[in-house]
Amino acid sequence: DTEVTQTPKHLVMGMTNKKSLKCEQHMGHRAMYWYKQKAKKPPELMFVYSYEKLSINESVPSRFSPECPNSSLLNLHLHALQPEDSALYLCASSSPGRNQPQHFGDGTRLSIL
Amino acid sequence: AQSVSQHNHHVILSEAASLELGCNYSYGGTVNLFWYVQYPGQHLQLLLKYFSGDPLVKGIKGFEAEFIKSKFSFNLRKPSVQWSDTAEYFCAVSPNNAGNMLTFGGGTRLMVKP
Repeated sequence: DTEVTQTPKHLVMGMTNKKSLKCEQHMGHRAMYWYKQKAKKPPELMFVYSYEKLSINESVPSRFSPECPNSSLLNLHLHALQPEDSALYLCASSSPGRNQPQHFGDGTRLSIL
Repeated sequence: AQSVSQHNHHVILSEAASLELGCNYSYGGTVNLFWYVQYPGQHLQLLLKYFSGDPLVKGIKGFEAEFIKSKFSFNLRKPSVQWSDTAEYFCAVSPNNAGNMLTFGGGTRLMVKP
């Protein structure tokens, strides 16, 4: 089992809905990440939080809004998504620093109707 | 920006065969290199990593990888595969001066026939 917990595991939502993805880790990691993985493609980095501050935003549309309320939690708020946003959303965490391996959650499989 | 290429998209082997999966990256500076594995229905797991020092690194489950700086390569090897190695394998790169931003290769799907 992974030490990074993501909820929900599956989410189906309409284009006008607002929903949130949640990620939790208790390894004491101070860096947390959101990735998007389309079918048969590698994960693509979306956001990086370091010490609860957003440090990297890889030009992600504003309909995705990350939040890091404390050092153990990472949220991804979703609003007005498009069908092409359907994907597996992965959360990861690591110790801060250049060469720290990232620990991944199982992901949330998101489908936009 | 850096990029990572994995040349083999699908590999099929019989048990006990030797494995080598290619990974090449393009980036002019110092990088940290990783191999991750994703077993069917499971999360991404770290197999091994290279930061500095001995270019031949050993990971879990009998895997190893060799960093060849002149070839910008970090190929993954295993002398004898097992059916349980069936999975997707991702090479990933993190530039040494860019925090911990991972760029993944396209992945290689390995199927090991019993």
